[in-house]
Parts: sequence; structure tokens; C-alpha cells
Amino acid sequence: GEDVEQSLFLSVREGDSSVINCTYTDSSSTYLYWYKQEPGAGLQLLTYIFSNMDMKQDQRLTVLLNKKDKHLSLRIADTQTGDSAIYFCALSRNAGNMLTFGGGTRLMVKP
Amino acid sequence: EPEVTQTPSHQVTQMGQEVILRCVPISNHLYFYWYRQILGQKVEFLVSFYNNEISEKSEIFDDQFSVERPDGSNFTLKIRSTKLEDSAMYFCASSPEVNEQFFGPGTRLTVL
Repeated sequence: GEDVEQSLFLSVREGDSSVINCTYTDSSSTYLYWYKQEPGAGLQLLTYIFSNMDMKQDQRLTVLLNKKDKHLSLRIADTQTGDSAIYFCALSRNAGNMLTFGGGTRLMVKP
Repeated sequence: EPEVTQTPSHQVTQMGQEVILRCVPISNHLYFYWYRQILGQKVEFLVSFYNNEISEKSEIFDDQFSVERPDGSNFTLKIRSTKLEDSAMYFCASSPEVNEQFFGPGTRLTVL
């Protein structure tokens, strides 16, 4: 089955950029997502990208997709303390299909 | 902004008891899902539901699990005879007829 991996932890200073990485094994993944989970809360959909795209920008968020290397990244510009959370990448093959999640990356933003 | 809601936020039960976890998806959404996250592990897919039937399910979703949409608003997950290893955070999600899945805040199930 699909395997999705993320590094466990990332620490940045407020105002710096954060880059959270995700690698996957299934090249048939067509929808790739980033979710944010704050303590005690559910999973908040941040953004997503289709596999026919290389990049998507949404305000401070930039998603990059390298299909050849099966690598997905989320860049957060001007990181704020409120961005401290766990970030999950998730993939699905088709709309309406199950999501396969990575283990999550805990982002800590230091003032 | 509409959101998925789940009740209860925390459920404690004895091993072997039945539990029902409840979800109210976003109105007008067509696809419904249950996921779970055991402490320290990845979020895992359990089941998806569309047009009043299961459309996809994982190996975890065995005969002990069932889902139901008893009326136009609720979506429930039933575990018939809970086991210790069922202790987890259970997330409900819903999506419109496109690709975004919106998650609820989760129900923490503790089986003693």
C-alpha cells in the first residue's frame, strides 16, 4: 500500500520561512493535501494540489510537488507563533477516495 | 462557516461494551468518512460512505464496526464489542462532490 513519510519535528524562529517535507511511494496519487492540527483540535484543511500541477500558492502557503522524486513540500512564509501545530500531508487516488496520511511534522515557532 | 461536529468529545467505556460515535457532517455534503488515530500513530482510514452505502473500507473496519446515516443529518460509527486496542481518537469527515475532506474535532474513545 501507499507509504507516506514526514520528518517528526521542525523548529523555526518567528518571521523565518518553514519548509515541511513529505515523501510518498504511490505514483498514482492524484490529490495531495496539507492539513494542520492544533492541540486538542481536529484536522484543518490548509491547501491541496493536483498531481498535474507543480506548484500552488495561497497567501503565505506554497505547495511544491516533485512527481519524479515523489516529494511534496509546504512552505510557510513569515512564520508566526500561531503557526505552531502538527502538519500532516495526505494523499488520495481519486476524489472521494480514502486519504492516506503521513505521521505529521510538529512545527515549533520560537519568538 | 459550516463545520463538521462530533459528539461526545470523550467517551470512556468498558471492554466488550458497544459504543456509538456521532457526527453531523456539513450540510449538502455527499461523502462521509471515519478515520482514527491511535495515540502516537498515523491517522488511519476506516470507511467511506456515499449514497447510503459503504463505498470503501479498510482492513481495520471488520465486522465489529458499522456505519449508519439514520436521518438526513447524522452519521454514526458503531463498535459492537469494544477492545482495548480500539482506544483512539476517531475523526469524522465529509466532502462535497469534489476532493476536499473537512474533518470534525474528533471523539476520544478510551476502552478500559
